[in-house]
Amino acid sequence: AQKVTQAQTEISVVEKEDVTLDCVYETRDTTYYLFWYKQPPSGELVFLIRRNSFDEQNEISGRYSWNFQKSTSSFNFTITASQVVDSAVYFCALSEANTGRRALTFGSGTRLQVQP
Amino acid sequence: DAGVIQSPRHEVTEMGQEVTLRCKPISGHNSLFWYRQTMMRGLELLIYFNNNVPIDDSGMPEDRFSAKMPNASFSTLKIQPSEPRDSAVYFCASSLESGRGQETQYFGPGTRLLVL
Repeated sequence: AQKVTQAQTEISVVEKEDVTLDCVYETRDTTYYLFWYKQPPSGELVFLIRRNSFDEQNEISGRYSWNFQKSTSSFNFTITASQVVDSAVYFCALSEANTGRRALTFGSGTRLQVQP
Repeated sequence: DAGVIQSPRHEVTEMGQEVTLRCKPISGHNSLFWYRQTMMRGLELLIYFNNNVPIDDSGMPEDRFSAKMPNASFSTLKIQPSEPRDSAVYFCASSLESGRGQETQYFGPGTRLLVL
């Protein structure tokens, strides 16, 4: 069965620090998709990125970057020069292509607090 | 373009009452998901529709929960009778599922349900 582990329950940093959120996944499917979502204090779930299992290129979007490594089943998320507005709960999620299970399996989330 | 729309945003009811949550997916999307978020269990799938047909309802807790999707632009999740343990945030999400595989799920703002 699929599983997503976010071992860091809560991280607190000071503004302008870099921070990395860890995500480790388990799946038996050969084709799968990984996602990161942000849940700010207002409660909505905001999509950040989607990565296919056959595309191991890392990605950078502004201050955000993602490191996908199939060898260690990890999909880590780094925020560079963090800002107070980055304070939120971040969820890593997985869906599988070949099992027919389209639902997302979420990790337990990492709460990031960025102090001014 | 409008995102996923959910109503009501907040619902407070008494134990034993019927509760109906509503969702309008993003226009053109053919897959719809209902998730529930609680402190104890995190984010978990309740049910998934594709082309208005329920595909995976393995997450529906029990017979008190039912979901329908009468057309491509509307879905309901009903709880009857409601119980205090149903208190949670209920999210609706939609995506476009094509032959290319799993696309991104976009979430609505959620309905925060409190059963007294």
